[in-house]
Parts: sequence; structure tokens; C-alpha cells
Amino acid sequence: GQNIDQPTEMTATEGAIVQINCTYQTSGFNGLFWYQQHAGEAPTFLSYNVLDGLEEKGRFSSFLSRSKGYSYLLLKELQMKDSASYLCAPLDSNYQLIWGAGTKLIIKP
Amino acid sequence: TAGITQAPTSQILAAGRSMTLRCTQDMRHNAMYWYRQDLGLGLRLIHYSNTAGTTGKGEVPDGYSVSRANTDDFPLTLASAVPSQTSVYFCASSDGTSGTDTQYFGPGTRLTVL
Repeated sequence: GQNIDQPTEMTATEGAIVQINCTYQTSGFNGLFWYQQHAGEAPTFLSYNVLDGLEEKGRFSSFLSRSKGYSYLLLKELQMKDSASYLCAPLDSNYQLIWGAGTKLIIKP
Repeated sequence: TAGITQAPTSQILAAGRSMTLRCTQDMRHNAMYWYRQDLGLGLRLIHYSNTAGTTGKGEVPDGYSVSRANTDDFPLTLASAVPSQTSVYFCASSDGTSGTDTQYFGPGTRLTVL
């Protein structure tokens, strides 16, 4: 079967760094997306990784290890506006996104 | 550019009634998708369309139907609503030229079936 594991909730302090982990098992693999979703809003695209390694984009970085079925999203210099859910979604062999339930990130001052 | 619009924003529906959720995109994207999002679960794909005139079933298609008469519109119909269809429904679209294209989401429709 296909399975995505992410922590349900994490708490971090404004200005700090937080790493959100995601492990996945899918039928085939064609890359992995991270999306951000603020409460009551639509998911918005953050990153896409298809090769192993770290992709940096401003304060956000995403890492992928295909052999381990593992990815993480790294958020630096946390701001209050980063309080949101972060959704991990690998692409399976049919190029369909398999969505995790998301990690709710709470930022405290 | 509006991107993707959905209507209505929210709706309360009596069980057994039918309803169509509307979705329109102005990005000339080939592919469109309908998802439902329930608390504690990931987004689940209901139906999709890779191009105008074609549709396909996703993970949870039962009780829903779609049509894709043109590029811009992708309505989702509940023929006879049941309480388990209470959810937030998101429409999304992607360029569709590659299977790895980013999906862009509409604002969602919050549906309550009583």
C-alpha cells in the first residue's frame, strides 16, 4: 500500500529553525512536493524534489533521500506567518500525488 | 489573473439533495482535479481530467461525477448527498504537459450535508 508519515503537530519559537520530516512508501516514485496550507485556505506550492539532496529556496529548504523514502522541509528564521500546516506529497508511478495528513506547525513568540 | 475560482464558498445541503460545485480556471491548464480534505486525513483525489473531454476516477469517486466540456471549467456533482460527503472540496489545476507539473489550488468549498 501507499503510506505517508509526518508528525501531526510541531511547535517552534519565532526566529528559530525547524525541520519537518516525512517518510513515504509509494508504488513507484516520480518526485516529492511540499505544500503550505494556512488554516481555512488552499494549499500553496513550496518545493519539488526529484533528485537526492538539498534544494534551498530562501528561508525554506527541502531534502530528499529516495533510497530511504525520506524527505524533510527545513524552515529557518521562523516568522509568525509560518504558522500553518505543511503537506508532504510524493508522486507515484501513475503521476498521482499521494498526500500526507500534514504537520501543523505552531510558532510561538 | 484570477487563477482558480470555486463556488460556492460554503453550503449547507440536506441529505438526498443534489448539488454542483463549480470550478473555473483562467490559466489555460490542461489538467484539473477535485480533492476532498477531511480533518486528520490527507487530501484525497475524487476525479481528475487530463484534458478537455476526458475524465478519470481518483481514490474516492463514489457518489461524485464530473464533466470537462471545455478547458476552463470542471464541475463536480453530488447526485444524492449523504452526511459522509461533508468535507472541504478543493479544485486544482496543472499545466498537464508533464506528470510532474505543480498543482495550483482554488480557495475551496466547505460543504455540510445534514
